[in-house]
Amino acid sequence: NAGVTQTPKFRVLKTGQSMTLLCAQDMNHEYMYWYRQDPGMGLRLIHYSVGEGTTAKGEVPDGYNVSRLKKQNFLLGLESAAPSQTSVYFCASSYSILEQVDEQFFGPGTRLTVL
Amino acid sequence: AQSVTQLDSHVSVSEGTPVLLRCNYSSSYSPSLFWYVQHPNKGLQLLLKYTSAATLVKGINGFEAEFKKSETSFHLTKPSAHMSDAAEYFCVVSDFNFGNEKLTFGTGTRLTIIP
Repeated sequence: NAGVTQTPKFRVLKTGQSMTLLCAQDMNHEYMYWYRQDPGMGLRLIHYSVGEGTTAKGEVPDGYNVSRLKKQNFLLGLESAAPSQTSVYFCASSYSILEQVDEQFFGPGTRLTVL
Repeated sequence: AQSVTQLDSHVSVSEGTPVLLRCNYSSSYSPSLFWYVQHPNKGLQLLLKYTSAATLVKGINGFEAEFKKSETSFHLTKPSAHMSDAAEYFCVVSDFNFGNEKLTFGTGTRLTIIP
């Protein structure tokens, strides 16, 4: 049981390049999330998904796209990277429980630098 | 709308002395509250959660937190600090909204343990 895994762990991009971050979970969770973490700002939600084939915008969605074609995978895409997207990206997943918010399980993070 | 304020960005304590990390929240409904810990270069791990059951919540590694509705607080405590407790701690709040389960993170408190 690997939990939540993220690929790659590190990446350096030049401005304007594109890339995709992959998140995979083996806990059969319905909900998946992408966050970015910047110094002094905690974690901010980029996009999330409440089930296979669905996605929704979070707090800071601009410049990112996502897809959830399979229940276990959640992809985050940067079409044209900008230096402002330099950050640590975390994926998370959780159960869906009626009338209660359950804990989220986090991946180890991807450190992205855009030059 | 929900929000969370961590009152200290940095706390230093000596090994063996008590730890207090302060958190205040704002929520429109009956909230769920969490504390997560992040060790250097790692993902986030759940310490404990409050979901309208007992107001005193016990977590892993000897941590506990008390939900005080009248003070809108959810402070994290530990009787005796250990060197391995050095990490960043995040207080998190969520209003349940079925199909829209999102967490709001505080900006974090960095805990330093003095030998």
